Amino acid sequence: SQKIEQNSEALNIQEGKTATLTCNYTNYSPAYLQWYRQDPGRGPVFLLLIRENEKEKRKERLKVTFDTTLKQSLFHITASQPADSATYLCALDEQAGTALIFGKGTTLSVSS
Amino acid sequence: NAGVTQTPKFRVLKTGQSMTLLCAQDMNHEYMYWYRQDPGMGLRLIHYSVGEGTTAKGEVPDGYNVSRLKKQNFLLGLESAAPSQTSVYFCASSPLAGAGGTDTQYFGPGTRLTVL
Repeated sequence: SQKIEQNSEALNIQEGKTATLTCNYTNYSPAYLQWYRQDPGRGPVFLLLIRENEKEKRKERLKVTFDTTLKQSLFHITASQPADSATYLCALDEQAGTALIFGKGTTLSVSS
Repeated sequence: NAGVTQTPKFRVLKTGQSMTLLCAQDMNHEYMYWYRQDPGMGLRLIHYSVGEGTTAKGEVPDGYNVSRLKKQNFLLGLESAAPSQTSVYFCASSPLAGAGGTDTQYFGPGTRLTVL
């Protein structure tokens, strides 16, 4: 069966460091992968999308990589700030035109 | 634009009662979705719709029904609520994902439902 794993439920880092979150998947061949941010009591908010033919995507302090051989995506936040503290979800399309499958998320805490 | 809105924000039901959750979007999106989110389980898809008048089952459809009579609205019904349906419910919408397109989703603020 299809499976998405975000390797840790919680990640604690100090302000200014780079946070790296991992998303692994099995039994999928996704056309693209998405990352969302969710704050407590709110709905997820889209951050970045990377397609299968892209190795890396950047947006301000965010960087996403996608390795279809390893079946893995890495999500990096550089120069992290306390305001980056949130839960981050990765999501894949099971097949084109159908709903996304979400990972359970990694909760990032950035301390000052 | 309001984006995706959900009504109500909070609700407490007794076992066996029924209710309808309303989701509305003003972005003219084709696709709409209902998820539930439980601690340790992540987001799980209940039902979704690929256009007005169409619906399809997701991962956890039992105990729920949906309707999409208007493009901008997607209703989630619980006919006979059970304690296992205590959860936070999120609605989302996305534009039509054609060839090479993507279904980036826009989420509502959620409805927190407790079934006693």
